[in-house]
Amino acid sequence: QQQVKQSPQSLIVQKGGISIINCAYENTAFDYFPWYQQFPGKGPALLIAIRPDVSEKKEGRFTISFNKSAKQFSLHIMDSQPGDSATYFCAASIAGGGNKLTFGTGTQLKVEL
Amino acid sequence: GAVVSQHPSRVICKSGTSVKIECRSLDFQATTMFWYRQFPKQSLMLMATSNEGSKATYEQGVEKDKFLINHASLTLSTLTVTSAHPEDSSFYICSAPSGGTDTQYFGPGTRLTVL
Repeated sequence: QQQVKQSPQSLIVQKGGISIINCAYENTAFDYFPWYQQFPGKGPALLIAIRPDVSEKKEGRFTISFNKSAKQFSLHIMDSQPGDSATYFCAASIAGGGNKLTFGTGTQLKVEL
Repeated sequence: GAVVSQHPSRVICKSGTSVKIECRSLDFQATTMFWYRQFPKQSLMLMATSNEGSKATYEQGVEKDKFLINHASLTLSTLTVTSAHPEDSSFYICSAPSGGTDTQYFGPGTRLTVL
């Protein structure tokens, strides 16, 4: 019930294209859904986060779409660039849960020229 | 955003020795910090929650006597890997929530290699 399922495991996108990564959860108590970007040998960096009271949040080229009824959320990277090549993790946490994050399995994104 | 640092960034040690990793919140106070372990091409696995002024809370399957956690102050948590063995070789990452929010900031990680 604490799992967050993430797909695809890996993704190759052409420069300028849209990268889409999907996550699904079971625990309806989750109420905070961040996305992290991680480069090899580095710690994860927060990209964007959303709460269930909104269906979409956009920051620059990054957009989170959230479907509460389906218990799914996704990250869209518009105009993907080679510098976006990294591993992306979705995560979720519960209000009052001490900020403890449950991570997805990760998606390795490669943006080709 | 808030900054979390870790020291050292990488460490190589011999089997049987102990290694201490520091995690600091540089521009905010953190009553709670988290320690994760990450194996190559895998996700982050939460090991324990470090609590300032009280004992750490360990996740199921994590040996508390092997991975000692001390939250010495509102800006410092340490993870000591005792009697390290090659299977403990991994990437250790800490995180801390900032300002009573849900937002968590991660340190740059520490690469531990046990020979």
